[in-house]
Amino acid sequence: KQEVTQIPAALSVPEGENLVLNCSFTDSAIYNLQWFRQDPGKGLTSLLLIQSSQREQTSGRLNASLDKSSGRSTLYIAASQPGDSATYLCAVKVGSEKLVFGKGTKLTVNP
Amino acid sequence: DAGVIQSPRHEVTEMGQEVTLRCKPISGHDYLFWYRQTMMRGLELLIYFNNNVPIDDSGMPEDRFSAKMPNASFSTLKIQPSEPRDSAVYFCASSFGRGLSYGYTFGSGTRLTVV
Repeated sequence: KQEVTQIPAALSVPEGENLVLNCSFTDSAIYNLQWFRQDPGKGLTSLLLIQSSQREQTSGRLNASLDKSSGRSTLYIAASQPGDSATYLCAVKVGSEKLVFGKGTKLTVNP
Repeated sequence: DAGVIQSPRHEVTEMGQEVTLRCKPISGHDYLFWYRQTMMRGLELLIYFNNNVPIDDSGMPEDRFSAKMPNASFSTLKIQPSEPRDSAVYFCASSFGRGLSYGYTFGSGTRLTVV
């Protein structure tokens, strides 16, 4: 059974800092991995999608990497801003069409 | 495109009442998913459809839950009778072609409170 773990559960940083969020999964047989952002009381916004054959994807200040063999992904946020404060979720797509989610990392960027 | 549209945004109901949640997927998407989010269990898949046909409902917690997709642009998730432990945020998501290339798009969710 695929399990996804995100560490840390919460992170607080000062504005301007570069930071890394971690995601690990137990079964490397995935199709892709997707990072989402969730604001309080809101839905999920897709940030980046990495195919299983890819190593990384970039969008603006965000960079996501994938090491399928070791079951790890990282989301790198450069020059963090208070507007980046949210919960970040990673999810892996497995063969049964399911997205298996981690519990998320709650990020607070302090001005 | 307006994205995945869910209604209502919030629902408060009394235990024992029937609750119906609604979802309009993105036009052209052929997969539709219903997820439930709670603090304890995170996001869990309840059921998904492909071309309006239910494919996997193994995540539906009990017979009190049912879902339908009468056409490509509309799906419902019904709880009858509702119980306090059903309180959660229910998300609908859709994708094109198994979500391999473009991933999944989620709606804003319905926050259900059963009192």
